[in-house]
Amino acid sequence: VQLVQSGAEVKKPGQSLRISCKGSAYMFTSYWITWVRQMPGSGLQWIGRIDPSDSYTKYSPSFQGDVTISADKSISTAYLQWNSLKASDTAMYYCARTARVAGETFDIWGQGTMVTVSS
Amino acid sequence: DIHMTQSPSSLSASVGDTVTITCRASQSISSYLNWYQQKPGKAPKLLIYATSSLQSGVPARFSGSGSGTDFTLTIFSLQPEDFATYYCQQSYSTPLFGQGTKLEIK
Repeated sequence: VQLVQSGAEVKKPGQSLRISCKGSAYMFTSYWITWVRQMPGSGLQWIGRIDPSDSYTKYSPSFQGDVTISADKSISTAYLQWNSLKASDTAMYYCARTARVAGETFDIWGQGTMVTVSS
Repeated sequence: DIHMTQSPSSLSASVGDTVTITCRASQSISSYLNWYQQKPGKAPKLLIYATSSLQSGVPARFSGSGSGTDFTLTIFSLQPEDFATYYCQQSYSTPLFGQGTKLEIK
């Protein structure tokens, strides 16, 4: 069982970006996928999650409107997308398989995608 | 909103020591509390879920306890590979992580 994320990105402010998270060796539609941000030298922040079976999403108020989470269950892949990046979006982004055990438990993590936004 | 307060923010200990990290919620979260370990440059790893259930493959020297608002992660007989940053996470409502505890070698 693993989640494999797309590679590091370097972008300019105002550009768009979509990063991916591909699940393997498990039933992709049986677990939610959560996205987590970790800014340099900082802790973990919950961005939001998606149910790949029906694409229902939930976002943290802190991120609502700034990012879009989507999924293509036919290829077992979830996405995190920005329409207009800001320098403050520079961070490591993790996806995590989310088991509905004791609420939401992140039992498998991707390796992370580093996003750097700089002019 | 539920707020999580994790303490201490950093901790120095020696191999073989027993250490305790605490996590306090601003209101009752029942037993909806998980613990993660993160090593530098690596993704977090689930250690304990539902307050006290050990994730498969995690050594038994890791132990979780608590209920309601106060929770603890105890690591018995510290090993060199345990020096890392630890995060609690409540899942009673919108998921939220604690600020983290950096466990360093004394």
